Amino acid sequence: GDSVTQMEGPVTLSEEAFLTINCTYTATGYPSLFWYVQYPGEGLQLLLKATKADDKGSNKGFEATYRKETTSFHLEKGSVQVSDSAVYFCALSPSRDTPLVFGKGTRLSVIA
Amino acid sequence: NAGVTQTPKFRILKIGQSMTLQCTQDMNHNYMYWYRQDPGMGLKLIYYSVGAGITDKGEVPNGYNVSRSTTEDFPLRLELAAPSQTSVYFCASSYSRDSVAKNIQYFGAGTRLSVL
Repeated sequence: GDSVTQMEGPVTLSEEAFLTINCTYTATGYPSLFWYVQYPGEGLQLLLKATKADDKGSNKGFEATYRKETTSFHLEKGSVQVSDSAVYFCALSPSRDTPLVFGKGTRLSVIA
Repeated sequence: NAGVTQTPKFRILKIGQSMTLQCTQDMNHNYMYWYRQDPGMGLKLIYYSVGAGITDKGEVPNGYNVSRSTTEDFPLRLELAAPSQTSVYFCASSYSRDSVAKNIQYFGAGTRLSVL
């Protein structure tokens, strides 16, 4: 079935460091891909999305490119801040009529 | 904007007790979902609904029941609470008409449930 695999955390970085969180997926057809972020004590919120191959989603300095040839959607940020400390979830939408499939999440801690 | 509202925020149950987790959304979304999030794990889908009167099982439906009598509300019922149901529960909703925006899910803040 459809699935999402994320790199395991926790990831600890110093402020202003470069961030990459790997995400690969398995799906039939052409899914849409998402990154959600969960700040401490809160629900998940959409960070960015991409709906077709080679699309780049971006928001708040984060970027991810839909790579069909490598079935990947890696999250990147050039310079992280303490406020980016959160759990990040990669997710896919197999089709318009099925629920999202989430990865296990990657916890990021940024230290000053 | 209220968005997705879940109540209560915290609850402790004894084994065998029952309770209902409430979820309300004010965005006129067709689709609603219930997930559970265990420590260190991702989200697992319990039940979802594509509209009033229609519900479907997700990955882990055993021990839970749902109903969808209105567009706004999607309560989750635990009939006989067990320690294995200790988790954080999230409700989410999404809009259906636009095939791109349809699966942007909006989440509530969660209900933290402990069964002792």
